[in-house]
Amino acid sequence: DTEVTQTPKHLVMGMTNKKSLKCEQHMGHRAMYWYKQKAKKPPELMFVYSYEKLSINESVPSRFSPECPNSSLLNLHLHALQPEDSALYLCASSQVRGGVYGYTFGSGTRLTVV
Amino acid sequence: AQSVAQPEDQVNVAEGNPLTVKCTYSVSGNPYLFWYVQYPNRGLQFLLKYITGDNLVKGSYGFEAEFNKSQTSFHLKKPSALVSDSALYFCAVRDYNTDKLIFGTGTRLQVFP
Repeated sequence: DTEVTQTPKHLVMGMTNKKSLKCEQHMGHRAMYWYKQKAKKPPELMFVYSYEKLSINESVPSRFSPECPNSSLLNLHLHALQPEDSALYLCASSQVRGGVYGYTFGSGTRLTVV
Repeated sequence: AQSVAQPEDQVNVAEGNPLTVKCTYSVSGNPYLFWYVQYPNRGLQFLLKYITGDNLVKGSYGFEAEFNKSQTSFHLKKPSALVSDSALYFCAVRDYNTDKLIFGTGTRLQVFP
């Protein structure tokens, strides 16, 4: 298995809802990442997990809450989002932190906040 | 600070012709450079990377890139373009301190039949 799987592919949520995005990989990678991509823009890093511990938080608002319950799974919990949070959320993984082995991206979850 | 620049918003090429998508970088230290392709409403697909070694890097789908230290460039090339290569291409550099990928603004490649 050489894929990063993200679910759901599409999500529409209201500003008062709570939802979660899920990312899964079975490549034995120990670094996992969340990126946010607005329309017609490049992806921007949100969080980095290394060996299930949060390593980097790029000053992301607390309405985004990441979780890494085990080495294969990465969640992004969403609460009280704003319409400007509508974007494509991409998960990525790497064998370890550092980029030597490259990064594998999932297909993303397209989130619309109404 | 690490950065990459993609000077062309769009590149147009006829099918069968060679294509080049340009990327220049600015880093302190040795760069880790990457190319990704993104099809509409899809995630990023890895094409190739340069970490160290040979300056000519061969990647997926017939793409290659040449690392040029003196010109601080990492241009993506393919000898013969296909209509199916039409997509958005991102060059990226790894930030050493944070392990994040810093992407260029992207270049839209349009291959005409």
